[in-house]
Amino acid sequence: AQSVAQPEDQVNVAEGNPLTVKCTYSVSGNPYLFWYVQYPNRGLQFLLKYITGDNLVKGSYGFEAEFNKSQTSFHLKKPSALVSDSALYFCAVRDINSGGYQKVTFGTGTKLQVIP
Amino acid sequence: DTGVSQDPRHKITKRGQNVTFRCDPISEHNRLYWYRQTLGQGPEFLTYFQNEAQLEKSRLLSDRFSAERPKGSFSTLEIQRTEQGDSAMYLCASSLAGTGSTEAFFGQGTRLTVV
Repeated sequence: AQSVAQPEDQVNVAEGNPLTVKCTYSVSGNPYLFWYVQYPNRGLQFLLKYITGDNLVKGSYGFEAEFNKSQTSFHLKKPSALVSDSALYFCAVRDINSGGYQKVTFGTGTKLQVIP
Repeated sequence: DTGVSQDPRHKITKRGQNVTFRCDPISEHNRLYWYRQTLGQGPEFLTYFQNEAQLEKSRLLSDRFSAERPKGSFSTLEIQRTEQGDSAMYLCASSLAGTGSTEAFFGQGTRLTVV
């Protein structure tokens, strides 16, 4: 069975500093990987995805993520954090051979707090 | 129509009552998904449609839950005889199958509180 782990419930970072939100995954085959952001009482907003190709994926709002197959990780990064980045971040995965989006598994989320 | 919309945004109901939620997907999307999200958890898949056909249901979708997408456009999710454990955020998402598109886009959710 596939799974996603977000080992940190919360990440605190000072405004202007680089941020990293960690994600590791487990699938039997090759993965599709996603990051979503959720603001309070809102739905999930798509940030970026890894399908194939370059290991460094660039997404919305200046975020990027690096796919590392050997470490089975897909950490979310941003060079300079903004207070407005404070939100809940979800990593998600599915095996490319598992069927459609309904097979995506979400992590439990990491709360990012950017301190002014 | 620039995104997935859900109605209502919030619903408070008494235990035992029936509730119905609506989702309007992105207009050209042929797949529609329902998820449930509880506090401290990521979204959990409930069911999905391709056009009007309901193709898969999770074991989380008990007999009290039913979903429809009668014309392949909007969808409704009904919960009968609500229980306190049904309190959650119900999320709808849509995607376009068959074009290589791999991600889904989510609505803002309906937060259900059962008292």
